[in-house]
Amino acid sequence: DQQVKQNSPSLSVQEGRISILNCDYTNSMFDYFLWYKKYPAEGPTFLISISSIKDKNEDGRFTVFLNKSAKHLSLHIVPSQPGDSAVYFCAASVRDSGYALNFGKGTSLLVTP
Amino acid sequence: GAGVSQSPSNKVTEKGKDVELRCDPISGHTALYWYRQSLGQGLEFLIYFQGNSAPDKSGLPSDRFSAERTGGSVSTLTIQRTQQEDSAVYLCASSPQVGTSNYGYTFGSGTRLTVV
Repeated sequence: DQQVKQNSPSLSVQEGRISILNCDYTNSMFDYFLWYKKYPAEGPTFLISISSIKDKNEDGRFTVFLNKSAKHLSLHIVPSQPGDSAVYFCAASVRDSGYALNFGKGTSLLVTP
Repeated sequence: GAGVSQSPSNKVTEKGKDVELRCDPISGHTALYWYRQSLGQGLEFLIYFQGNSAPDKSGLPSDRFSAERTGGSVSTLTIQRTQQEDSAVYLCASSPQVGTSNYGYTFGSGTRLTVV
C-alpha cells in the first residue's frame, strides 16, 4: 500500500524557470517530511525537510510547502539549473516509528538549457 | 569513513544461492537503515538498527531475509535462496541517532543485486 505518492513520473523545465514537484500522502500520522535527490548510480542525497508544525521551509533555491489538510506537499526549485536534473523522492515518517521513511516512487526532473 | 560504504556495488547471483550485502556506516552513527529499490518503484523500508539491536524488522519481505549488526558498526543483509524478485538496488543509510531527522539520513551508493 503506497502511503506516499508522486503522481508525476517525470517533469521537464527550462533553465531559469520554476520546477514544482508534488507529493501526496495518505497517512495522517506522518509528521515529518523530506525530499531527497538522486543521481544515477548514487544513493539518495538529503535535500530539505519540513515538520508538520510548519507549512513552509526554505533553503536557498529550494522551498518545501506542506498542506496538512490536503495531505499534500510540494518542492519548488527557483531558478532551476541543469545540475538539478535528477530523480526527486518525497519521503514521510512518523516520529514513533524509529524514523523509518516511507518513500514515493520519485519524479525524474530534467532541466533543459 | 567519510560516507556510508556498501559492498559489493554489483552482484549477480544464480537463483537459489545465498548472498550477503555489507554496509559500513559513518563512524559514530548509531542508527542504520536498509532499504531496497526495485525497478520503477520507490525505496522500500526493510529494517533499521539502533546500535546492534533491530527494533523494527517489519519491512523484511520474507524469512529468507535477515540482517545483523555487530559492534554498533558494520551491518550485513543476508538473502537466502535468492529469487528473481529479489533483484533490486539495496541501499543502506545511517544517521547519528534514531530520531535525528533534521538532516535526513546519509545513504550509501547501494548494491545492485541481479538474480538470474
